[in-house]
Amino acid sequence: QSALTQPPSASGSPGQSVTISCTGSRSDVGGYDHVSWYQHHPGKAPKLMIYEVTRRPSGVPDRFSGSKSGNTASLTVSGLQAEDEADYYCNSYADGGRYIFGTGTRVTVL
Amino acid sequence: QIQLRQSGPGLVRPSQTLSLTCAISADTVSSDSVTWNWIRQSPSRGLEWLGRTYYRGQWYNDYAISVQSRITINPDTSKNQLSLQLNSVTSEDTAVYYCARAPSSGRFFDYWGQGTLVTVSS
Repeated sequence: QSALTQPPSASGSPGQSVTISCTGSRSDVGGYDHVSWYQHHPGKAPKLMIYEVTRRPSGVPDRFSGSKSGNTASLTVSGLQAEDEADYYCNSYADGGRYIFGTGTRVTVL
Repeated sequence: QIQLRQSGPGLVRPSQTLSLTCAISADTVSSDSVTWNWIRQSPSRGLEWLGRTYYRGQWYNDYAISVQSRITINPDTSKNQLSLQLNSVTSEDTAVYYCARAPSSGRFFDYWGQGTLVTVSS
């Protein structure tokens, strides 16, 4: 039950876009449309940003978007803002009724 | 507004049992449309899902393979809360622990507790 693979870091200047990948297998990302993304600021609880691959909860800016192709899901943050600087984790439902998180990506706004 | 409030000790001795509770407001632990989960976060391991409990006419549990021999998640319907017990802890179990709700209509965590830092140290 290995963690989903994310790049350790990503960065962009204000107004630019960053895309974070999340790679798993057919037993998780590739087998279910149950990929979600969380924003995590230190000292706070993670915040749901994307669910069911592409859907945004109420209150999440439309600058955040999600997609999936095969065993890899992606989160794109467009029009980067300073408050987007945080750690981002993907999560997928997996075989056996389990959930697997990604390794996490630190997004830096330059 | 749904709220999850965690409580429990912040320091546990090695080989002892870690115990946390998560009190639920504006929802019920025995709801048949959600699951109740425990998740932890550490610098070395990132976020890690530990397990869940849920009611579908009877109680069910699912646990992460990494901790399944040491973990118990129990509902307490009289107090409307859930608990986490993790046995035989080591320094590797030092982490911030969260409880979180997942709607059964989806597979994501929409409400989270405030987090509890648990340090395993003698």
